[in-house]
Amino acid sequence: DAGVIQSPRHEVTEMGQEVTLRCKPISGHNSLFWYRQTMMRGLELLIYFNNNVPIDDSGMPEDRFSAKMPNASFSTLKIQPSEPRDSAVYFCATGHEGTGENTGELFFGEGSRLTVL
Amino acid sequence: AQKVTQAQTEISVVEKEDVTLDCVYETRDTTYYLFWYKQPPSGELVFLIRRNSFDEQNEISGRYSWNFQKSTSSFNFTITASQVVDSAVYFCALSDEGNNRLAFGKGNQVVVIP
Repeated sequence: DAGVIQSPRHEVTEMGQEVTLRCKPISGHNSLFWYRQTMMRGLELLIYFNNNVPIDDSGMPEDRFSAKMPNASFSTLKIQPSEPRDSAVYFCATGHEGTGENTGELFFGEGSRLTVL
Repeated sequence: AQKVTQAQTEISVVEKEDVTLDCVYETRDTTYYLFWYKQPPSGELVFLIRRNSFDEQNEISGRYSWNFQKSTSSFNFTITASQVVDSAVYFCALSDEGNNRLAFGKGNQVVVIP
């Protein structure tokens, strides 16, 4: 299994530019999460999908952030326009949600490190 | 609301010493899961253990051991005979039954000095 695949691994952009981060979940997983990690705030949940449907986006900081999951094998997190305070590592994580022994374990991608100048 | 507290931000130990990381959690749910993840300097998050709220047995995996005590809402992690490769940030996390939404603590930065 290839694991959760994120791209790009690193992105440097200028303030005001649009940023799109991509995630390919593990096949068969029905839940997908976008987390942001910064030194100040640690790991924050931004948005959570179950069966491709957004369940909780209360962690999305502003309207500049949007996320989509058009199908079970792809998700994007978009920031438009980007700002320096968006600089962080963005993780995508997926899992199988439901009752049973597999519930609760998340598999993380390697993260996308974003720097907004 | 769920909350996970890892009070120690950075811990330095000399190689071969033991180190214990404290994790205290808050939840109103009767069924929940507790986790530890490791984040080495390379940045990825590596799953270490999952424990459900009905299983208070301690667990040992090699040099790693976990002590779950519901009475004190704690799920502590001990690394025995630490090695330089153990240097990482360790996160404790909590989720409800039926969903994978993890609430993370702030993490413990462990530095193992050779």
